[in-house]
Amino acid sequence: NAGVTQTPKFRVLKTGQSMTLLCAQDMNHEYMYWYRQDPGMGLRLIHYSVGEGTTAKGEVPDGYNVSRLKKQNFLLGLESAAPSQTSVYFCASLPPGQENTGELFFGEGSRLTVL
Amino acid sequence: GQNIDQPTEMTATEGAIVQINCTYQTSGFNGLFWYQQHAGEAPTFLSYNVLDGLEEKGRFSSFLSRSKGYSYLLLKELQMKDSASYLCAATDSNYQLIWGAGTKLIIKP
Repeated sequence: NAGVTQTPKFRVLKTGQSMTLLCAQDMNHEYMYWYRQDPGMGLRLIHYSVGEGTTAKGEVPDGYNVSRLKKQNFLLGLESAAPSQTSVYFCASLPPGQENTGELFFGEGSRLTVL
Repeated sequence: GQNIDQPTEMTATEGAIVQINCTYQTSGFNGLFWYQQHAGEAPTFLSYNVLDGLEEKGRFSSFLSRSKGYSYLLLKELQMKDSASYLCAATDSNYQLIWGAGTKLIIKP
């Protein structure tokens, strides 16, 4: 099992460019999440999904879109990148039946810099 | 509003004991998590408390007081590899996780 895999690991964008971050998990988890982590702040939830074909907004959804066409994949898109979106992005998933109390399994993170 | 407070940074000596405190204010409460995050890596799960009291897992223990909105993570017999950030997170009434900014723990020989 690879667990939770994020691609790419690093990316530099210019303001206004678009890109997609891919999160893939092979653990048959239903719930998946996209977080951003900035210095001096806690993890902030961008969007999440409770199953294939579903998505929902988190705490900081503006400027991002997501899709969950397949259960194992959760994509995070930036349509027009801004310097404020410079951050480390983490994908996470949750085992079935543990939606309220389970441990999150995180990907290795994707470091995005917007110039 | 919802808030998690924990110290920004702590320093301890190899072999010693350190306690990292966390206070939380959430609309409803459904449990408290601790995660460890080494620099440049993903967070990894350490503990979950939903009832008052102490949960022990080897060198690590986690305590919860729901009436005080307070938790702590206790690390014993500190090792250099314990140098990391420790993240406190509480689940609110909607089971959404509210994260603290993390406590950077520096271990000195």
